[in-house]
Amino acid sequence: EDQVTQSPEALRLQEGESSSLNCSYTVSGLRGLFWYRQDPGKGPEFLFTLYSAGEEKEKERLKATLTKKESFLHITAPKPEDSATYLCAVQAVGRDDKIIFGKGTRLHILP
Amino acid sequence: NAGVTQTPKFRILKIGQSMTLQCAQDMNHNYMYWYRQDPGMGLKLIYYSVGAGITDKGEVPNGYNVSRSTTEDFPLRLELAAPSQTSVYFCASSYSRSSNEQFFGPGTRLTVL
Repeated sequence: EDQVTQSPEALRLQEGESSSLNCSYTVSGLRGLFWYRQDPGKGPEFLFTLYSAGEEKEKERLKATLTKKESFLHITAPKPEDSATYLCAVQAVGRDDKIIFGKGTRLHILP
Repeated sequence: NAGVTQTPKFRILKIGQSMTLQCAQDMNHNYMYWYRQDPGMGLKLIYYSVGAGITDKGEVPNGYNVSRSTTEDFPLRLELAAPSQTSVYFCASSYSRSSNEQFFGPGTRLTVL
């Protein structure tokens, strides 16, 4: 069964303390893996798409990487404004190319 | 561009009542989606559309209906509201189905009592 698991569920960091969020997936065929940021009371906001193992994408303090089984979202020297829930989603190859979302990681950066 | 807009922002329904959640986008996207998000859970796809006049079921379509008469609008209809439909509903759109970013609306928080 196609599945997306994110860990940890929640993470509290001090400002400047770098860390990584994990997204592990099981799909029959990967068309793409997405990272979104979601602020409280708002819709998800697109961050990255990764297509194949070894690919990396960067945006400000965030860097996303992909292997055949998982993706990492690395956060370097985070600031309080990076606090949000980060969602991982996987698009599986198939008739309807379904997209499966993980439950997210709630990140809180303390000043 | 307004992007993806949703109305209403909040709504309380009684069991058995009906309502339509409105969604519109002004980016000329062919693909539109409806998701629900329950606390602590991932987004679940309810219905999606690949263009005007074409809709298809997602993972959790029971209790919902959709229509797509124009490229811009994609309303979601709840015919007989049930407490299990209490959730936050997000509409999204994208240029294509495959590996392109989805643009999400601000959501509608629905409570069924």
